[in-house]
Amino acid sequence: DAGVTQSPTHLIKTRGQHVTLRCSPISGHKSVSWYQQVLGQGPQFIFQYYEKEERGRGNFPDRFSARQFPNYSSELNVNALLLGDSALYLCASSSAHRDHTEAFFGQGTRLTVV
Amino acid sequence: QKEVEQNSGPLSVPEGAIASLNCTYSDRGSQSFFWYRQYSGKSPELIMSIYSNGDKEDGRFTAQLNKASQYVSLLIRDSQPSDSATYLCAVIVSGSARQLTFGSGTQLTVLP
Repeated sequence: DAGVTQSPTHLIKTRGQHVTLRCSPISGHKSVSWYQQVLGQGPQFIFQYYEKEERGRGNFPDRFSARQFPNYSSELNVNALLLGDSALYLCASSSAHRDHTEAFFGQGTRLTVV
Repeated sequence: QKEVEQNSGPLSVPEGAIASLNCTYSDRGSQSFFWYRQYSGKSPELIMSIYSNGDKEDGRFTAQLNKASQYVSLLIRDSQPSDSATYLCAVIVSGSARQLTFGSGTQLTVLP
């Protein structure tokens, strides 16, 4: 079985541009979460989707948005990119939206804003 | 106070020794705890989950949970140089959207 797949793996954008990151969860998993990880820190929660509905949002500005499609894949969109948005963006897949549920990460998208 | 705290390290142990990694959390109602391993430049990899007080063993890894003291630990027996990585403690905080709240990670180096 394929694991969590993210695309692209690396991306360089200019300040002010828009970016779309994509994630396909593990087959059968209905929950997708997005995290941002800057160097030297643990991942920070951005969004969680389950059954195509937003179930949680972290402390990120409105420039960040996401959605989940009927096949449970997901997109993370970031508008008006800032230098501080440079980070590793991680997608996590889990089978359910409840406690005691393990989450598995994709390989991440390394975003560099110049 | 951070919700999940870990010693940032770096922690160095000789090959074959036991590595002990610790994590404390602030929310007493948390029920789900995870350890992830992250190699430099890679994404986090789940290595252990623990939900009940006590020990949980998986191969060379043992996770320990003490909810009364609000700490989780990870022991790595017979440490190998390939265990050199950053270890992230993650907690599902009660009342949240069931997202993972991470510590900042402990960098472990196993010396040959």
